[in-house]
Amino acid sequence: DGGITQSPKYLFRKEGQNVTLSCEQNLNHDAMYWYRQDPGQGLRLIYYSQIVNDFQKGDIAEGYSVSREKKESFPLTVTSAQKNPTAFYLCAATGSTEAFFGQGTRLTVV
Amino acid sequence: AQSVTQLDSQVPVFEEAPVELRCNYSSSVSVYLFWYVQYPNQGLQLLLKYLSGSTLVKGINGFEAEFNKSQTSFHLRKPSVHISDTAEYFCAVRGLDSNYQLIWGAGTKLIIKP
Repeated sequence: DGGITQSPKYLFRKEGQNVTLSCEQNLNHDAMYWYRQDPGQGLRLIYYSQIVNDFQKGDIAEGYSVSREKKESFPLTVTSAQKNPTAFYLCAATGSTEAFFGQGTRLTVV
Repeated sequence: AQSVTQLDSQVPVFEEAPVELRCNYSSSVSVYLFWYVQYPNQGLQLLLKYLSGSTLVKGINGFEAEFNKSQTSFHLRKPSVHISDTAEYFCAVRGLDSNYQLIWGAGTKLIIKP
């Protein structure tokens, strides 16, 4: 099936640890996005990439990093500099019109 | 630049009653408009989209929306809701400019009362 695959679905991080969230797409779309979702705050843009080997910061990029070495893949690393990482993370890809979303990763700090 | 306002953070409605979820936008260029639905702990799923043509757009699960250019609105409606419609609904706009970014509303939680 065509779509966006995020893994893992649930992730637990200890204080001071870096963790990487995976996002893979087989839609052949150029643009990919990472959003953070907290209760009552909608979608907030972390990073986006419109082409391989290029990416831009969104509204809340501090404490996060990304790479875009392949068109299909856009992993997000939550670094120890992110002080409040517990949230639901969504990856999306866009073609010429709408966005397609993965099923999300719920990250919890323990 | 574009912006999107969803006027209600929560909308409670009785089962089998009609519902309208409101969305207003602002943009200096032409736009595409979208409604997405999110069920708990899931990603967002496209309900319907307006690209051009007829201003009344029909989507999945019996939803429809009407694009009103003069009022810069794109309200979502359903004539009779079911308990399975309980979810959060997001309106989004995409400006047809060089940026091509999707701009999101804050979401509206639809609460169905039995």
